[in-house]
Amino acid sequence: GENVEQHPSTLSVQEGDSAVIKCTYSDSASNYFPWYKQELGKRPQLIIDIRSNVGEKKDQRIAVTLNKTAKHFSLHITETQPEDSAVYFCAAIPNNAGNMLTFGGGTRLMVKP
Amino acid sequence: EPEVTQTPSHQVTQMGQEVILRCVPISNHLYFYWYRQILGQKVEFLVSFYNNEISEKSEIFDDQFSVERPDGSNFTLKIRSTKLEDSAMYFCASSVQGESPLHFGNGTRLTVT
Repeated sequence: GENVEQHPSTLSVQEGDSAVIKCTYSDSASNYFPWYKQELGKRPQLIIDIRSNVGEKKDQRIAVTLNKTAKHFSLHITETQPEDSAVYFCAAIPNNAGNMLTFGGGTRLMVKP
Repeated sequence: EPEVTQTPSHQVTQMGQEVILRCVPISNHLYFYWYRQILGQKVEFLVSFYNNEISEKSEIFDDQFSVERPDGSNFTLKIRSTKLEDSAMYFCASSVQGESPLHFGNGTRLTVT
């Protein structure tokens, strides 16, 4: 089955700096890659997603890049703010698995004011 | 914005007891899911449900687990005989179609004593 690895597990940045979180996946046929933000004690919320026919997608301060050849994708947050502090999860859908998301282990992002 | 709703928010039960976790997916969504998250760990897929039947399930979803859509709005997860290791946050989710964004509910925290 699909295996998603996520790095780093924790990331501390100064407010205003950029943050980058990286994920690798194992199933080369995976074609949908969402990112979720989870604040303490709350549900995961989709912040951005990308499909395999696109190499990059941007939404204001958030961007995701996908390298299908290398089987990795990354989340980029620019001009970080304290409210960006949360756990971020990447995910992938294995081939022919409908919507069975396989999540990475999560990255705890701390933005220091 | 429509939301996935889950009840109860917190359920405490004794080992060996049956529990039913309830969810109301977003009304025009066709795919329904249960995921779980053990405290401090990643979100894990349990089961997906489409057209009144299970479409995929993980190894976690053994014979102790079952899902049901008893009417046009509710989607339930039943654990027949709970074990200590079933203690986790259980998230229901729904999506319009396969490989489309998942919308998570706020979760039910299950504590098995």
